[in-house]
Amino acid sequence: GAVVSQHPSWVICKSGTSVKIECRSLDFQATTMFWYRQFPKQSLMLMATSNEGSKATYEQGVEKDKFLINHASLTLSTLTVTSAHPEDSSFYICSASPGTANYGYTFGSGTRLTVV
Amino acid sequence: QKEVEQNSGPLSVPEGAIASLNCTYSDRGSQSFFWYRQYSGKSPELIMFIYSNGDKEDGRFTAQLNKASQYVSLLIRDSQPSDSATYLCAVNSPGGYNKLIFGAGTRLAVHP
Repeated sequence: GAVVSQHPSWVICKSGTSVKIECRSLDFQATTMFWYRQFPKQSLMLMATSNEGSKATYEQGVEKDKFLINHASLTLSTLTVTSAHPEDSSFYICSASPGTANYGYTFGSGTRLTVV
Repeated sequence: QKEVEQNSGPLSVPEGAIASLNCTYSDRGSQSFFWYRQYSGKSPELIMFIYSNGDKEDGRFTAQLNKASQYVSLLIRDSQPSDSATYLCAVNSPGGYNKLIFGAGTRLAVHP
């Protein structure tokens, strides 16, 4: 149980274009999902908290107009990287929990974004 | 001061030995503590969680929590080369949404 599916697993896009990443909870409903970014050899940095039916909560320093988050249902959250630039190239990972946070969060398989 | 601190390593141990990974955190309000394992190029996978002082064992893994010292550790017994990975300590941030804050991770290398 507690499977989180993330798609695509990798994507290459041109500078200036937008990329959408999907995160789905397959066997549970997730009121809240989290989006992380990880640069090579660095730890996970929380970008934003995605809330079903309301606006996402962004961490300090994360541009909400650049990283658009939509959590339209209890099983799907999307992250759109708008006007992507090479510095946005990173590993993006979502996570969610089937219950209270005390039982940990399951991560999606991640999306490796390369902007050329 | 970072919220969650870990020694980046690498921690090198011989096969069959006990690997000891440590983590300290700054927010005394944190109640839940997690250890994740991350292989290179992959997303993290949950190994253990703990929220009561003391030890919690699961197979070859033992998590230890000392809230007074704000210290969490993970022991891996009978270490195997397949345990070679980065181990991430995560702590819940109290208040709204219970988000997890991660340490930078400790790279463990188990050599035959």
